[in-house]
Amino acid sequence: AQSVTQLGSHVSVSEGALVLLRCNYSSSVPPYLFWYVQYPNQGLQLLLKYTSAATLVKGINGFEAEFKKSETSFHLTKPSAHMSDAAEYFCAVRVDNYGQNFVFGPGTRLSVLP
Amino acid sequence: DVKVTQSSRYLVKRTGEKVFLECVQDMDHENMFWYRQDPGLGLRLIYFSYDVKMKEKGDIPEGYSVSREKKERFSLILESASTNQTSMYLCASSLGQSNQPQHFGDGTRLSIL
Repeated sequence: AQSVTQLGSHVSVSEGALVLLRCNYSSSVPPYLFWYVQYPNQGLQLLLKYTSAATLVKGINGFEAEFKKSETSFHLTKPSAHMSDAAEYFCAVRVDNYGQNFVFGPGTRLSVLP
Repeated sequence: DVKVTQSSRYLVKRTGEKVFLECVQDMDHENMFWYRQDPGLGLRLIYFSYDVKMKEKGDIPEGYSVSREKKERFSLILESASTNQTSMYLCASSLGQSNQPQHFGDGTRLSIL
């Protein structure tokens, strides 16, 4: 069965520091992977997606993620954190070859300290 | 830009009431989804639909039903609301291809008293 693990339910970084949010997945089909961000009292917004093209994927707001098949990972990074990056981040993997269902990770709350 | 609109941002209902949550998307998407989001549990799929009048159970369908009479509208129904259904409810839509992302509404925070 497909699953997603996000290491660390809460991550704190200083403003200007590197952001690294971890995502590991298991999938019995070629994975399509997604990162979403959720600001307080809002829905989820797509940050970036991996769909079997380039393994390094660039998204919005300066975020990027690298697909590593050997490590079954899709970690999200940003070189320099900004206060506005404080939010909850969800990694997701599609469930099957034919449908469009995703499995979402439990989320990582990012705090950015001044 | 894709727009997914949920009819209410906040809703308070009483135990035993029948509750309707409405979701409308404006991009002619085939797929629509209902999730609930609870702290520490992430998003859990309640029901989804790949076409008009079609519905499939997700991971936690008990106590819920859905209706999709038109392509753009997907309704979630709590037949007899209970306090354990207090949650944030998120609607999403997507194109039919499996490499397409889901687009989310802003959510409805439902409280059952």
